[in-house]
Amino acid sequence: QKEVEQNSGPLSVPEGAIASLNCTYSDRGSQSFFWYRQYSGKSPELIMFIYSNGDKEDGRFTAQLNKASQYVSLLIRDSQPSDSATYLCAVIIQGAQKLVFGQGTRLTINP
Amino acid sequence: KAGVTQTPRYLIKTRGQQVTLSCSPISGHRSVSWYQQTPGQGLQFLFEYFSETQRNKGNFPGRFSGRQFSNSRSEMNVSTLELGDSALYLCASRKGQGDDTQYFGPGTRLTVL
Repeated sequence: QKEVEQNSGPLSVPEGAIASLNCTYSDRGSQSFFWYRQYSGKSPELIMFIYSNGDKEDGRFTAQLNKASQYVSLLIRDSQPSDSATYLCAVIIQGAQKLVFGQGTRLTINP
Repeated sequence: KAGVTQTPRYLIKTRGQQVTLSCSPISGHRSVSWYQQTPGQGLQFLFEYFSETQRNKGNFPGRFSGRQFSNSRSEMNVSTLELGDSALYLCASRKGQGDDTQYFGPGTRLTVL
């Protein structure tokens, strides 16, 4: 079982709709969770981090964390073509004290 | 505040050569981590340095090594390059001391011929 798993996509969403990106992790002791956005040919850019169960909102982005289900998601409201990118979920693996990334979900917003 | 910087941005080498990549973290950040990104394997952790000490290491052969200087700048070295080492090498910095948030540099694109 991979430490961090994401659906690789591609995920296609119409402009203005809500894009939902999902991630599961294997280490039940993980405490820190991150979402990065990566445009083609560029480096990952931090979007959000979340540490506590529940929702965390920042503008059009909402991160949701459910530690009991070992599940973290990212919602993008009012999706724009500029949101088209690969979204990487990352988790601090407590035992190894390192940041582990999922394979990323490629998101395309269709005008 | 300036972000993470990496040099060089692009590099072309041949098999058997060695290469050194450089990373300057955000001012005040004491931890530097290195990652390798390839289309097939995604982002893979190489190692992390904090206050000049390697704190953690990923599953890479000994040809991959690194170090950190007293000003927190870090270098990564790959010896005896192989074709499979062609990748985007990313450096990320964080404050450390309980702050887990990492910020990435622009990366160095290494091509091995």
